[in-house]
Amino acid sequence: GAVVSQHPSWVICKSGTSVKIECRSLDFQATTMFWYRQFPKQSLMLMATSNEGSKATYEQGVEKDKFLINHASLTLSTLTVTSAHPEDSSFYICSAFGTSGIRTYNEQFFGPGTRLTVL
Amino acid sequence: DAKTTQPTSMDCAEGRAANLPCNHSTISGNEYVYWYRQIHSQGPQYIIHGLKNNETNEMASLIITEDRKSSTLILPHATLRDTAVYYCIVRVRGGADGLTFGKGTHLIIQP
Repeated sequence: GAVVSQHPSWVICKSGTSVKIECRSLDFQATTMFWYRQFPKQSLMLMATSNEGSKATYEQGVEKDKFLINHASLTLSTLTVTSAHPEDSSFYICSAFGTSGIRTYNEQFFGPGTRLTVL
Repeated sequence: DAKTTQPTSMDCAEGRAANLPCNHSTISGNEYVYWYRQIHSQGPQYIIHGLKNNETNEMASLIITEDRKSSTLILPHATLRDTAVYYCIVRVRGGADGLTFGKGTHLIIQP
C-alpha cells in the first residue's frame, strides 16, 4: 500500500500559540487529503477535506479560521491549529488517496497521527 | 454511506482465527465494504475491501453474504499484534468523501 507520513508525531505547546502539522504522501500523488481528529476513547471524526490547489471543505462545527488547511502540492497538506487552547488537545490524523503512475488508489491511507497537547 | 453495526468487543486466543462480524443491512448496490483497523495510538490501517465476492489478501479474508447485508472479516491466525479496534465501513468505491467511523470492534488477542 501507499505510505503517508506526518510530522511531528507529538507536540506540546502553550495556550494561545499556533501549531503546524504536516502530512505527506511519500510514494504517490495525493489528489485528496483528509484531516481527522480523535479524542480519547472516541472514534475518528472527519474535520475537513482538501484537494490540491483548492480551498478545503470543512465539516459542520469545525472552525475554518481556527484550523487552517493548505494543500499546496500533490504530496503535502498542512493543518495549522491557530491560537490553540487546552480543548484542542487531541490526536490529529491525516489520510490521502490518489495515484501512483497508472494506478489509482480507491482506498484511503492514513498517517501515523500527531498527538497535540496544549498546556 | 450506509450505517454499520459491529460488536463492541471480542476476545480471541492467539493462533486461532478471529472472525469479526459486521451488519450493513441498508447497503446500496454500488457500495463496497471496507475494513480498517487502528492499533492503540496509531493511525488507521487499511485491511481489505470487497463488493460481493469474497476477497483475500495477505492480511485477511472478507466474506460477504449473498444478500450483502452482512460480512465477516477473518484473521486466519491471530497474533498479539492484531489487538486493535476494527472498523467496518460501507462506502462507494473511489468516493471523494472522508470516511465515517463508527465505534468499531475492540479485538483483544489473548496469549
